[in-house]
Amino acid sequence: NAGVTQTPKFQVLKTGQSMTLQCAQDMNHNSMYWYRQDPGMGLRLIYYSASEGTTDKGEVPNGYNVSRLNKREFSLRLESAAPSQTSVYFCASTNPLGLATRVYEQYFGPGTRLTVT
Amino acid sequence: QQQVKQSPQSLIVQKGGIPIINCAYENTAFDYFPWYQQFPGKGPALLIAIRPDVSEKKEGRFTISFNKSAKQFSLHIMDSQPGDSATYFCAASVTDSWGKFQFGAGTQVVVTP
Repeated sequence: NAGVTQTPKFQVLKTGQSMTLQCAQDMNHNSMYWYRQDPGMGLRLIYYSASEGTTDKGEVPNGYNVSRLNKREFSLRLESAAPSQTSVYFCASTNPLGLATRVYEQYFGPGTRLTVT
Repeated sequence: QQQVKQSPQSLIVQKGGIPIINCAYENTAFDYFPWYQQFPGKGPALLIAIRPDVSEKKEGRFTISFNKSAKQFSLHIMDSQPGDSATYFCAASVTDSWGKFQFGAGTQVVVTP
């Protein structure tokens, strides 16, 4: 199992350009997430998809859109990149560990380091 | 505004020392508190987690202490090793919230030989 994979690993954009970050998981998980990680801010949730066919906003959704293409894939799109979107982006996926516990362990991908100039 | 406050931002200990990382929260609905470990260039990985019905949990050299009345929890790394050098994040979530976590800001731990 590859777990959670993300492409690309690195990207440099100019202000106003658009791009899509790709994420795929092979663990048959229902829920998927996009986070951004900035120094001193921890991980902040951008969007999540509780199950195939649904998406919802997280803490910092402005400037982003998402698509849950199928159960495996969840993409993040920046329509018009801004320098404030310079960050490391992580995709994660999860299933509840058990119906009794309803506890979630999130599995993270290796991240995409994005710089917007 | 961060719902989970983590401190310190960084700390350096010698091999064998016990780094302690503290987290505090306000939302009393939180009922699951995991800690994640992140090495440079990698994604975070679950280290250990606790529910508020216990005050302490140990897994290997890692211990979580939980104080429900104070709304605080902490991670202790016993007999720390240079390989423990990483960034540690505390987090909190509410059961049935589709696995959405609130993460702390992170603590960079350096263990010197």
